[in-house]
Amino acid sequence: DAGVIQSPRHEVTEMGQEVTLRCKPISGHNSLFWYRQTMMRGLELLIYFNNNVPIDDSGMPEDRFSAKMPNASFSTLKIQPSEPRDSAVYFCASSLFAGLLFFGSGTRLTVV
Amino acid sequence: DQQVKQNSPSLSVQEGRISILNCDYTNSMFDYFLWYKKYPAEGPTFLISISSIKDKNEDGRFTVFLNKSAKHLSLHIVPSQPGDSAVYFCAAVPGNEKLTFGTGTRLTIIP
Repeated sequence: DAGVIQSPRHEVTEMGQEVTLRCKPISGHNSLFWYRQTMMRGLELLIYFNNNVPIDDSGMPEDRFSAKMPNASFSTLKIQPSEPRDSAVYFCASSLFAGLLFFGSGTRLTVV
Repeated sequence: DQQVKQNSPSLSVQEGRISILNCDYTNSMFDYFLWYKKYPAEGPTFLISISSIKDKNEDGRFTVFLNKSAKHLSLHIVPSQPGDSAVYFCAAVPGNEKLTFGTGTRLTIIP
C-alpha cells in the first residue's frame, strides 16, 4: 500500500498565479480531508469529502480556494489567485472513519 | 475558537525521563481523542487514542490519560528516547464528525 500520495512536494509560485495541489487517497478509504498547517493555527481543516461528496467546506478561507474530488482516487485543491499569506504546508489525508486519518507527506507552498 | 488547545508549544526532556504532553478541550461533545506524531517533512501519523468511556489507554511506552471533568488529556512517554523528538498533535472528534487538532507541541529529547 503506497499510502496517501500528494504532489508536488514543494511549490514556489508568484503572487497572483494559480496553484493546484493534488492528492491520491488510500484505495478503499471513503473520506478525504485537506488540512493546512501553520505555526499559529496548527493543523487546520479546510474541507473534507465523504464518498467523493464535499461534506464540510467551512474551513476554506476564501473564495480563492476550491477543492474537487472527481472520483474516489483523486482530489485537487486549487488556489486562484494565490497570495503570500497562503504560504503553508498543505496535507491531504484519507480514512475509513473520522478518527483514524492517514496523511500524505504534504505540499510545502511558498507564494512570493 | 480553538476547541482543542495545546498550551505548550515546546518541551525538552532528558533521555530516559518521562515526557508529559498536555491537551485541553472545550467541546463536551468530543467522545474520542487521538494523538498524532509528526516528523519534519512528513505527514502526521497516528500514535494512540482513547475513548471517552475510558480514563487511560496504554500502548508500550505511551499512555494517554483522560480527565473528562477537567476536559483534559495527557500523553505520557516513558522512558523517552531520542526518536521521540517530534511534534505531537492532540486531536478530538465528536461521534463520526470531523477531527479537530490542537496547535501541536514540539518535543525534544536531550541525549
